[in-house]
Amino acid sequence: QSVLTQPPSVSAAPGQKVTISCSASSSNIGNNYVSWYQQLPGTAPKLLIYENNRRPSGIPDRFSGSKSGTSATLAITGLQTGDEADYYCGTWDNSLSAHYVFGTGTKVIVL
Amino acid sequence: QITLKESGPTLVRPAQTLTLTCTFSGFSLSTSGLGVGWIRQPPGKALEWLAIIYWDDDKRYSPSLKSRLTITRDTSKSQVVLTMTNMDPVDTGTYYCVHSRLERHFDYWGQGTLVTVSS
Repeated sequence: QSVLTQPPSVSAAPGQKVTISCSASSSNIGNNYVSWYQQLPGTAPKLLIYENNRRPSGIPDRFSGSKSGTSATLAITGLQTGDEADYYCGTWDNSLSAHYVFGTGTKVIVL
Repeated sequence: QITLKESGPTLVRPAQTLTLTCTFSGFSLSTSGLGVGWIRQPPGKALEWLAIIYWDDDKRYSPSLKSRLTITRDTSKSQVVLTMTNMDPVDTGTYYCVHSRLERHFDYWGQGTLVTVSS
């Protein structure tokens, strides 16, 4: 089963910017929308970005997403202590039978 | 307001079958474009997608778990049921029920239910 590759962790000081990469094959990211999910400690994940770069209502514009080829990126600007969480990318994979795949997850550490 | 809630056993013995129920409100699974799925997360590990059922009763399964999974719906009760056979300790984790729109992303999540597989 295919997996989307993310860095295990990224870190920055409050107010700074971090970016999280998500890469895989053309059978998934290359042909489908990418979503991003935020999981705060001890809670269920929450949709952060959908359709590559759209934010659900209530998500601040400090969070942005982009996609290029077979990679996607989540950027967080103006980093806050409350942003410390695990972040997962996800997309549909059309190889064999259609199924959804998540990234390996990235922990954002606010220094 | 869309809500989803998982229910089922907290402890399952190895080789047994797990049955989880997702009870939802705020939408009808007979509405075109909607789906309800299951995602799990072993302790300290990443999310893993399991299965989804759509408004037209179309179903999708994780290729690696397909032989063990069955997803069904009861539209009248606003419930989706996931069964997983031959449970193993590696199946221990939190199981989430999710709402999906337009076969793309998961915009609403249940609180999750922790299932432990142990003898």
